[in-house]
Amino acid sequence: DARVTQTPRHKVTEMGQEVTMRCQPILGHNTVFWYRQTMMQGLELLAYFRNRAPLDDSGMPKDRFSAEMPDATLATLKIQPSEPRDSAVYFCASGLATPTVAYGYTFGSGTRLTVV
Amino acid sequence: AQTVTQSQPEMSVQEAETVTLSCTYDTSESNYYLFWYKQPPSRQMILVIRQEAYKQQNATENRFSVNFQKAAKSFSLKISDSQLGDTAMYFCAFMKPRGGNKLTFGTGTQLKVEL
Repeated sequence: DARVTQTPRHKVTEMGQEVTMRCQPILGHNTVFWYRQTMMQGLELLAYFRNRAPLDDSGMPKDRFSAEMPDATLATLKIQPSEPRDSAVYFCASGLATPTVAYGYTFGSGTRLTVV
Repeated sequence: AQTVTQSQPEMSVQEAETVTLSCTYDTSESNYYLFWYKQPPSRQMILVIRQEAYKQQNATENRFSVNFQKAAKSFSLKISDSQLGDTAMYFCAFMKPRGGNKLTFGTGTQLKVEL
């Protein structure tokens, strides 16, 4: 089965350090999402891309978060500088979507980030 | 903005029994999609079932089926013959094709299947 691959699976870092999370979407999928999951806020949409172009990143703290898709096989989410409140599980998901039809998205296994 | 409400934070069911998880949503759209995702302790998000709003027929996937009530904006998940492996957090999600196809999730229902 095709999978969305996320790395690293776990990351522990000190406050103030830069963190980069990577995602390899499923080949042929045109939409990529980044979600953050915490106990308090549940699943929050941070950013998403269609055909590599950013569609919406309004869920991200702009001063410290950035998301990019340098090519169709790689999406990155960067936090600089990291803060303890960024501790969460970060999911990448990919899927095939058009303005009229939508299919379910496939999620990666997530990156559990702990900022100490 | 669309909202998705799951009013049952936790539920439990005996193995082999049937359980229904509730979900309601709010939207003014006529064309949209609804999903149930399962998140076991491994934290992997797994798509369980998908429903297209313009289809009156309820979706079914093996032991999983939905009761889609469009007028009531209700989308419940029924799990038949519950198995221990069904123990997980279940999320209801809404998506509208207009506006980018982004998923809006409910807060989840933790289901525990007991012997």
